[in-house]
Amino acid sequence: TQLLEQSPQFLSIQEGENLTVYCNSSSVFSSLQWYRQEPGEGPVLLVTVVTGGEVKKLKRLTFQFGDARKDSSLHITAAQPGDTGLYLCAGDSNYQLIWGAGTKLIIKP
Amino acid sequence: DTGVSQNPRHKITKRGQNVTFRCDPISEHNRLYWYRQTLGQGPEFLTYFQNEAQLEKSRLLSDRFSAERPKGSFSTLEIQRTEQGDSAMYLCASSLAYTEGTSYEQYFGPGTRLTVT
Repeated sequence: TQLLEQSPQFLSIQEGENLTVYCNSSSVFSSLQWYRQEPGEGPVLLVTVVTGGEVKKLKRLTFQFGDARKDSSLHITAAQPGDTGLYLCAGDSNYQLIWGAGTKLIIKP
Repeated sequence: DTGVSQNPRHKITKRGQNVTFRCDPISEHNRLYWYRQTLGQGPEFLTYFQNEAQLEKSRLLSDRFSAERPKGSFSTLEIQRTEQGDSAMYLCASSLAYTEGTSYEQYFGPGTRLTVT
């Protein structure tokens, strides 16, 4: 059974701090996607990483795919209250996505 | 195209009643997925369609659940004889798949929140 473990499950920090969220698996994925979800809404795709070692940047967000394509990280620099939300990683496994349980992030002003 | 839409956004029903949800995917997308999500968890895969063909169903999808995509466009998810354990957010997603073996990037609708009383 393929599993994706996200850590931490919950993170509450002050505005301006940096943070990193991790997504780990023992399985290899052809690609991995990061989503952000707000309460009562569907997940919104942030980025897809495909190549081992790939790094993608989206403003203050930096996404990295592990060399072996089994893990990924999301780093946020100078977090803002608008970054608050549930961050989900999902690994591409044939016809479906394998989902992590999410990291609930709260940025306090 | 404004993205994936789902109706209704909220549904409250009494246990034992039937409910039907609708999903309209992004128009050029050939794949459509249904997920269920409970509080504090990631989405759980229920089923998916490639055009009008339903290609996979999760074990989570009991006999009370049925999904259709009759013309390869919109899809409906019906739950018969609802139970309190069916209370969850039901999410629909679509993607454009060129070949087998990948789910590609999925774009989600806002979800339908079901509450069974």
